[in-house]
Amino acid sequence: DAGVIQSPRHEVTEMGQEVTLRCKPISGHNSLFWYRQTMMRGLELLIYFNNNVPIDDSGMPEDRFSAKMPNASFSTLKIQPSEPRDSAVYFCASSLGSMGFTGELFFGEGSRLTVL
Amino acid sequence: GENVEQHPSTLSVQEGDSAVIKCTYSDSASNYFPWYKQELGKGPQLIIDIRSNVGEKKDQRIAVTLNKTAKHFSLHITETQPEDSAVYFCAASQTPKDKIIFGKGTRLHILP
Repeated sequence: DAGVIQSPRHEVTEMGQEVTLRCKPISGHNSLFWYRQTMMRGLELLIYFNNNVPIDDSGMPEDRFSAKMPNASFSTLKIQPSEPRDSAVYFCASSLGSMGFTGELFFGEGSRLTVL
Repeated sequence: GENVEQHPSTLSVQEGDSAVIKCTYSDSASNYFPWYKQELGKGPQLIIDIRSNVGEKKDQRIAVTLNKTAKHFSLHITETQPEDSAVYFCAASQTPKDKIIFGKGTRLHILP
């Protein structure tokens, strides 16, 4: 399997612009997670889905952030409008989830976002 | 909710020596404690995990210990090698729930 695929790998944008990050989970995994990594806060869980349904979005920092999972093979994390403090590496991860949860998260290589 | 504290934030050890990273968790219902290793430019990868019905687990040079009473768990790396240099994250979760909460990470430097 190709693993979790994220795009873009790097994004540089100006404050106020819309940013869309994309994720393709591992085929057959039914849980998907979005994490944000910064030096100050480490790895923060933003939101996670199970069977395409958002289960917990309590980590989404504010209304500027939204996430969707229209089908089992695709998810997006959108920031609109973006701000400099959103600069971070955003990771998507997938797992077998729920009753099949083995405990292991499989991470993508991340999307490094810089907001100027 | 769960809170995971990790120490130290940075650790330097001589090649061949041992490294120990410690974590504490707040939610006594947590029952699954994985450790992830993150190499430069990559996503974290699971290296070992332990469940609450076990006090210790070993895999070659890596071992984890868990003290449920004190809500502490630790990662031990023996005979460290240059390829052990990375950022290590501890985490806690309540399976079969999926939510995993990570500590802030420890940057491990292996000195030649």
